[in-house]
Amino acid sequence: NAGVTQTPKFRVLKTGQSMTLLCAQDMNHEYMYWYRQDPGMGLRLIHYSVGEGTTAKGEVPDGYNVSRLKKQNFLLGLESAAPSQTSVYFCASSGNEGSYEQYFGPGTRLTVT
Amino acid sequence: RKEVEQDPGPFNVPEGATVAFNCTYSNSASQSFFWYRQDCRKEPKLLMSVYSSGNEDGRFTAQLNRASQYISLLIRDSKLSDSATYLCVVNLRDTGRRALTFGSGTRLQVQP
Repeated sequence: NAGVTQTPKFRVLKTGQSMTLLCAQDMNHEYMYWYRQDPGMGLRLIHYSVGEGTTAKGEVPDGYNVSRLKKQNFLLGLESAAPSQTSVYFCASSGNEGSYEQYFGPGTRLTVT
Repeated sequence: RKEVEQDPGPFNVPEGATVAFNCTYSNSASQSFFWYRQDCRKEPKLLMSVYSSGNEDGRFTAQLNRASQYISLLIRDSKLSDSATYLCVVNLRDTGRRALTFGSGTRLQVQP
């Protein structure tokens, strides 16, 4: 049972480079989220999606774009990476009934030099 | 002011000790409350939900005080394996995004 998976696990980028982080879930969840986690800041919501084909801005969306072309996948793009985007990125998903529990992927550690 | 505030710790306790973590939240409209556990360099995982009447799961007890906007987690008979960061999490029952707001966590280190 894979749950939520993320690729890649680690990445080092130079300032100005672009990349896409992929999140996949096999639980048929409607809701998907991208967070970043920095020391002392907790998890902060970047973008989220309430269903296939939908995306919306979270708390810290600047510098990121997302797409949800398929229900099971949620992509996070960095068009022009900056050192301030050095962080651990977590994807999460949640079902559309009952508990608000979110299930997290293992994270992507991104360093921008 | 942060929406969810926690003492960052670390709390260093010996095995077998009882330890309590507290959390305050700023939004009185918050409706659902959770404790998540995050091991070093791992993803957060749900430890337990927190109900108004208080609830217990084995060695773990969670309490909610809506009037004071305060949540607590009590761990009895601490084990080495309890060493982790504990995240206080609240949900504002908003219109549709089912968003959770996370505290920055309290680190627990249980020592032999």
